[in-house]
Amino acid sequence: DAGVTQSPTHLIKTRGQQVTLRCSPKSGHDTVSWYQQALGQGPQFIFQYYEEEERQRGNFPDRFSGHQFPNYSSELNVNALLLGDSALYLCASSLRLGLAGHSYEQYFGPGTRLTVT
Amino acid sequence: SQQGEEDPQALSIQEGENATMNCSYKTSINNLQWYRQNSGRGLVHLILIRSNEREKHSGRLRVTLDTSKKSSSLLITASRAADTASYFCATSNSGYSTLTFGKGTMLLVSP
Repeated sequence: DAGVTQSPTHLIKTRGQQVTLRCSPKSGHDTVSWYQQALGQGPQFIFQYYEEEERQRGNFPDRFSGHQFPNYSSELNVNALLLGDSALYLCASSLRLGLAGHSYEQYFGPGTRLTVT
Repeated sequence: SQQGEEDPQALSIQEGENATMNCSYKTSINNLQWYRQNSGRGLVHLILIRSNEREKHSGRLRVTLDTSKKSSSLLITASRAADTASYFCATSNSGYSTLTFGKGTMLLVSP
């Protein structure tokens, strides 16, 4: 049973560039959430996707966008990178339970460490 | 923004001792969860306690929840060196699986 996978593991970009991070959810899960974790801080929610649409969004600018594919995998795109975007980006998957909402336990991937210079 | 604070920020103990971490939060919740993170990598789910529960056990873990004080505690009994990690509490609102995390407690267990 494959867990959540993320790629790449590490990434170094220059200010102003654009980056795309990828995530494959745990087998059987249909919902993907993205979190940003700055050094020494707890993760902060960026957005959540299910049924190929952004369903919830945290307090992040429009430079952060995403996509979910029919196979439930997801991408996180960040445009016009700033030094402050340097962080560990975590993907988490969960299962939508229809009208009952979502399963609350989330499974996290190992993360992508983004460094902006 | 962070939902709350973990206390202490860092904790250093010897193997075999118990470790207690506390978490406070600000808004009403549906459930509270604890996660472990090793060396800045992915988070591992430890335990979930619902807002109508007061205490829950899982192996060497014991979690309490006091919704009147908006606080929770995580007790790890008989700590091992392998328990060395950062521990985060995270809250969830009704109907949604998105999590609001605290800043975490760094636990160091020395052999």
